[in-house]
Amino acid sequence: EEQLAESGGDLVQIGGSLRLSCGGSGFTFGGYAMSWVRQAPGKGLEWVSGISGNGGRTYFAASVKGRFSISRDNSKNTLYLQMNSLRGDDTAVYFCARGLYGRFDSWGQGTLVAVSS
Amino acid sequence: QSVLTQPPSASGTPGQTVTFSCSGSSSNIEDNTVNWYQHIPGTAPKLVIYSNNERPSGVPARFSGSKSGTSASLAISGLQSEDEADYYCAAWDDSLNGVVFGGGTKVTVL
Repeated sequence: EEQLAESGGDLVQIGGSLRLSCGGSGFTFGGYAMSWVRQAPGKGLEWVSGISGNGGRTYFAASVKGRFSISRDNSKNTLYLQMNSLRGDDTAVYFCARGLYGRFDSWGQGTLVAVSS
Repeated sequence: QSVLTQPPSASGTPGQTVTFSCSGSSSNIEDNTVNWYQHIPGTAPKLVIYSNNERPSGVPARFSGSKSGTSASLAISGLQSEDEADYYCAAWDDSLNGVVFGGGTKVTVL
């Protein structure tokens, strides 16, 4: 059974940086595109970023472009999200999900990022 | 404000059918496939419909999806208490070069 597990969420100050990780198991990690999706308190789901299986193509939501980067290490079955210049509206639960283009067939439980002054 | 528009709420009694929509545009729903997610707060979202009308393995046949032009809809027939959740539509947007979600529809079983 495929599983995804996020880590790295924390309380960080405005303007700070944080790196999230997502470990995959139970499937051929490098064979799948992966994405990050977030949910701010009281809000709906928002796609943040995606990356192709070999890491050659990356995509970002306008709200994070230029501040966030996405990468993966297929030898470690791990997806990353580097978040810089964090703002208050980046506060959310961040989920990693298997897939791209809107179809996400497996999700992690999420990790909480809280950005505070 | 979400790129895809969903009604904020829908409700029904056990056994009834509830249907709700997801409205978009030519750059997302019309030219790409629509996917639907069930999300119970505090848990991982779950894919219930992909490629407009396909059900993943393990999703009950009570869930069905359709698409026409720039709109899509999700129907839940034989409504059960366990179906109470938030439901989101999602699609790729060619203009934004990214994934767009609807704002979510909260389904309540009366």
